[in-house]
Amino acid sequence: AQSVTQPDIHITVSEGASLELRCNYSYGATPYLFWYVQSPGQGLQLLLKYFSGDTLVQGIKGFEAEFKRSQSSFNLRKPSVHWSDAAEYFCAVGGSTGRRALTFGSGTRLQVQP
Amino acid sequence: EPEVTQTPSHQVTQMGQEVILRCVPISNHLYFYWYRQILGQKVEFLVSFYNNEISEKSEIFDDQFSVERPDGSNFTLKIRSTKLEDSAMYFCASRTDRGEAFFGQGTRLTVV
Repeated sequence: AQSVTQPDIHITVSEGASLELRCNYSYGATPYLFWYVQSPGQGLQLLLKYFSGDTLVQGIKGFEAEFKRSQSSFNLRKPSVHWSDAAEYFCAVGGSTGRRALTFGSGTRLQVQP
Repeated sequence: EPEVTQTPSHQVTQMGQEVILRCVPISNHLYFYWYRQILGQKVEFLVSFYNNEISEKSEIFDDQFSVERPDGSNFTLKIRSTKLEDSAMYFCASRTDRGEAFFGQGTRLTVV
């Protein structure tokens, strides 16, 4: 069975500080990995995805994530956080084909202090 | 840019009533999904749909739920007899065979 663990429920960082959100996954084959962001009352916006190839992937809004197969991790990073980054962040894992639905982690709520 | 659209954005219904949530997936996508998110909780998978049939469903997707693609463009989720605990945000998503899933903005269902 596939699963995703986001160990940090809530993180607070100061504006301009660096950010790392952790994600560990369990998947029986080669995973497709995603990070989505959700602002309050809004839908899910894709930040970035990993399918294959370079293990460091770039996304929108200055985010990047690194796939580490040996650690079953796909951590999200940003070098300098902006106040507008405050939101809920979800890591998700799925299969290479659409037959397998995505499984989401429980999310990490990011607060940004001025 | 193509997008998944969902209607209505907010639906209030009385307990025991039937509701139909509507979604228009991206036109060349092959796989369609419904997820739900109870307030403050994680996004949970309900059902996936491919080639006009359910390909996978979770334990949440019991007999009170059904999905349909009635006309080749819409993708609907019906809840036959709503309960208070069905109150949640319901997200529709679609994807190509090997691409990422695109999500709609969601329908907030409130059962009173």
